[in-house]
Amino acid sequence: GQSLEQPSEVTAVEGAIVQINCTYQTSGFYGLSWYQQHDGGAPTFLSYNALDGLEETGRFSSFLSRSDSYGYLLLQELQMKDSASYFCAVRGAGNNRKLIWGLGTSLAVNP
Amino acid sequence: NAGVTQTPKFQVLKTGQSMTLQCAQDMNHNSMYWYRQDPGMGLRLIYYSASEGTTDKGEVPNGYNVSRLNKREFSLRLESAAPSQTSVYFCASSDRDRRYSNQPQHFGDGTRLSIL
Repeated sequence: GQSLEQPSEVTAVEGAIVQINCTYQTSGFYGLSWYQQHDGGAPTFLSYNALDGLEETGRFSSFLSRSDSYGYLLLQELQMKDSASYFCAVRGAGNNRKLIWGLGTSLAVNP
Repeated sequence: NAGVTQTPKFQVLKTGQSMTLQCAQDMNHNSMYWYRQDPGMGLRLIYYSASEGTTDKGEVPNGYNVSRLNKREFSLRLESAAPSQTSVYFCASSDRDRRYSNQPQHFGDGTRLSIL
């Protein structure tokens, strides 16, 4: 089967750094994506890793290790507005444009 | 700056009623998708359309039908609604992916559907 695992909840304080991990088991692999979703809102794209290493976009970074079937999203200088759910998603080989989604990590940023 | 537009935003149906959810995108994207999201279940793909004129089943297609009316529009139909179809439905669109180049999916604001 194909599955992604990520923690269900993470709590942090403003200004801190938090890492959300994602491990995947898929038949083939064409990249790991991260999406953010605020309560009641639509998911929005954050980042994508096709190759090993770190991708940085402002306060957010995403890392991938294909040999470990593992990636993470790193959020720095946390702000209250970062409180949201974060989903990892994998595009597997032979799946055309279908993404396989994790169940999401709910991040609560406290003052 | 509309992006992906879904209608309606909210709907309440009785069991057995039929309903079509509408989705339109103005980004000239080739691919379009319908997802449902239930608490604790993440996003599950119902149907997708890789390009105009094609549709394929996703993870949970039973009880649904779709129509890719043209490049802009992709509708989802519930022929005989059941309480198990109570959910938030999201439509998304994206450009065509290349082998190592991902095209982000752009989502509409969702339709909150309750079936009594």
